[in-house]
Amino acid sequence: EIVLTQSPGTLSLSPGERATLSCRASQSVSSSYLAWYQQKPGQAPRLLIYGASSRATGIPDRFSGSGSGTDFTLTISRLEPEDFAVYYCQQYGSLPLTFGGGTKVEIK
Amino acid sequence: EVQLVESGGGLVQPGGSLRLSCAASGFTFSSYAMHWVRQAPGKGLEYVSAISSNGGSTYYANSVKGRFTISRDNSKNTLYLQMGSLRAEDMAVYYCARARPQGPFDYWGQGTLVTVSS
Repeated sequence: EIVLTQSPGTLSLSPGERATLSCRASQSVSSSYLAWYQQKPGQAPRLLIYGASSRATGIPDRFSGSGSGTDFTLTISRLEPEDFAVYYCQQYGSLPLTFGGGTKVEIK
Repeated sequence: EVQLVESGGGLVQPGGSLRLSCAASGFTFSSYAMHWVRQAPGKGLEYVSAISSNGGSTYYANSVKGRFTISRDNSKNTLYLQMGSLRAEDMAVYYCARARPQGPFDYWGQGTLVTVSS
C-alpha cells in the first residue's frame, strides 16, 4: 500500500499569499497518477488537479500541481477567500487507492 | 449535468446491516468504474470499495472486506453498498464517486451519513 504523507497539517495564511502544500509517497506513484482535492465543511471533495499537474475542468489557474515519483506539490499562487479549506492528495495508480491525511489552509 | 445522489444512510445498531444506494444521472453510467469513500466525523478520507464499469471486478479495503459488498445495476444507473456486521468505526459519511479507468474521482455525490450506535 502506498502511504501518502501531507505536510504541513495546517497552514495559516492571509488572502493574497502563496500556499505551498506537500504530498510525499512511501513509494513511487506510477505514471504520476496523483490527484489533489479540495474539501470545504459540509461538502464533498472537489477534484482540482490530476496527473500531478493537470487542472480539472473549471479550476482557476491560481491552482497548480507539480512533482513526480514520490514528491508532489500543490501551489495556490494567491489565496482567495474561497480557497480556505482542507486539501487532500490521492494516488490512483495502484490498489488500494490511498489518500493523504489532508492539509488545512486556514485564515491567519 | 452529472449527478450522483446517495441514499440509505441512517442510524443502525452495532452488528446491524444497511444498504446504501448511489443514483447516477447525466452521464453513461456503464462506462465508468465507481467507488465508495468514507469520512468519519472530523477525520480524513478513507477508500472503501470499487467496482469496474461492467461489475466484473470489485475491490475492498481490508477494514471492510468480508462485511461489505459493492454492486451495481447498469440498467438502473445505480451503485450499491451492502454493509453488514457494522461497527462503531464504520460510522462516517459515505460518498460515491465516479472515475474513468486509471482516472481520478472527477465527480462525487453529496454523501450519506451512517451512524452506528446502540
